[in-house]
Amino acid sequence: GAGVSQSPSNKVTEKGKDVELRCDPISGHTALYWYRQSLGQGLEFLIYFQGNSAPDKSGLPSDRFSAERTGGSVSTLTIQRTQQEDSAVYLCASSHPNGLYNEQFFGPGTRLTVL
Amino acid sequence: GIQVEQSPPDLILQEGANSTLRCNFSDSVNNLQWFHQNPWGQLINLFYIPSGTKQNGRLSATTVATERYSLLYISSSQTTDSGVYFCAVVQLGGTSGTYKYIFGTGTRLKVLA
Repeated sequence: GAGVSQSPSNKVTEKGKDVELRCDPISGHTALYWYRQSLGQGLEFLIYFQGNSAPDKSGLPSDRFSAERTGGSVSTLTIQRTQQEDSAVYLCASSHPNGLYNEQFFGPGTRLTVL
Repeated sequence: GIQVEQSPPDLILQEGANSTLRCNFSDSVNNLQWFHQNPWGQLINLFYIPSGTKQNGRLSATTVATERYSLLYISSSQTTDSGVYFCAVVQLGGTSGTYKYIFGTGTRLKVLA
């Protein structure tokens, strides 16, 4: 596609449920990034995938968070046993294969609300 | 860990005015980017600028890596420039293979017509 897409755009869930968020990067981009932005707050880096290499998971806030990237393209971010503090906008970005130094292109985000 | 601070935190301008936004970082970095987050939440790349100066229309940016700061200049501001401006830095972990991408706290800009 022309840009990074994310789904769903909005997700409302009950505390304790699991959620899956999806990111489709720009075609040909091998690097993919997940961030979250809590209401009125700054941006927090979560995880980064480069091609088929194992990701650096040190940015994930707890072991309830996990992320996968299948076939070097689509990625899913899974949050198990959601808590109210997980409410945030989850943003995905991708970048060109010529190195991680290149500019990132962001998707529109998924707004997660945990009741 | 590395600290990334932006100033000023808030800025109100009259349309047509110029401004300078600053990003300070506390350690050496491998990369630095500037973003604009529009009022609808979309993040848009402005500059990828680990060092030197770049210009794009009314916007320009300068990074002095040795002194650990970057500046974003907005000239002849327009109401469409309103939003939040973030800088972000990248630190690679060398042999540990870690990757850290840290955003600054942002500068919230409002341009009045």
